[in-house]
Amino acid sequence: ETGVTQSPTHLIKTRGQQVTLRCSSQSGHNTVSWYQQALGQGPQFIFQYYREEENGRGNFPPRFSGLQFPNYSSELNVNALELDDSALYLCASRADRAGANVLTFGAGSRLTVL
Amino acid sequence: AQKITQTQPGMFVQEKEAVTLDCTYDTSDQSYGLFWYKQPSSGEMIFLIYQGSYDEQNATEGRYSLNFQKARKSANLVISASQLGDSAMYFCAMREGSWEYGNKLVFGAGTILRVKS
Repeated sequence: ETGVTQSPTHLIKTRGQQVTLRCSSQSGHNTVSWYQQALGQGPQFIFQYYREEENGRGNFPPRFSGLQFPNYSSELNVNALELDDSALYLCASRADRAGANVLTFGAGSRLTVL
Repeated sequence: AQKITQTQPGMFVQEKEAVTLDCTYDTSDQSYGLFWYKQPSSGEMIFLIYQGSYDEQNATEGRYSLNFQKARKSANLVISASQLGDSAMYFCAMREGSWEYGNKLVFGAGTILRVKS
């Protein structure tokens, strides 16, 4: 198992731009979820994907969208960036088997919006 | 209402001593899961320990144990024999319902732990 990897690790954008963050999960982890962690706060659930379909969403506007691919990779897209979108974005996945209670996180992508 | 409350913004502990990080939760579900994660300055969320709501025994993972008091809705993390490498932010989190409803965790605000030599 190779864990959850995210890219890029850091990036800087300006207001109004669009950004795509990427995540690669472990084989067999069919559910991937994304979290936003503002500075000094706990992570907040954005949405999750199961077998390439969104099946749960937190309190985030539609300009936050995602994709999941058959090879256990996924993307988080944010359009029309706002200053408050500056945060650490974390991807997490879990094995699809009974008793698998560990939600494994990646190291995150730190986005700064100027 | 906050679902996860961590009342200690910061804690200090002497190396080799034990420390307890507090967490209380609020849910009306009968089935739920409680987690503790460690987040060093690098940003990665590192899983420490898990307690299911139906688990009768307190969870333990090496130097970590979870003091689960269901009636009081508390899930405190106990770290024994603290090490300098334990210095980090610690988050308590909860999953409401079973995993069939998804991977949504609700996190507390975190507690910064500093281990002194």
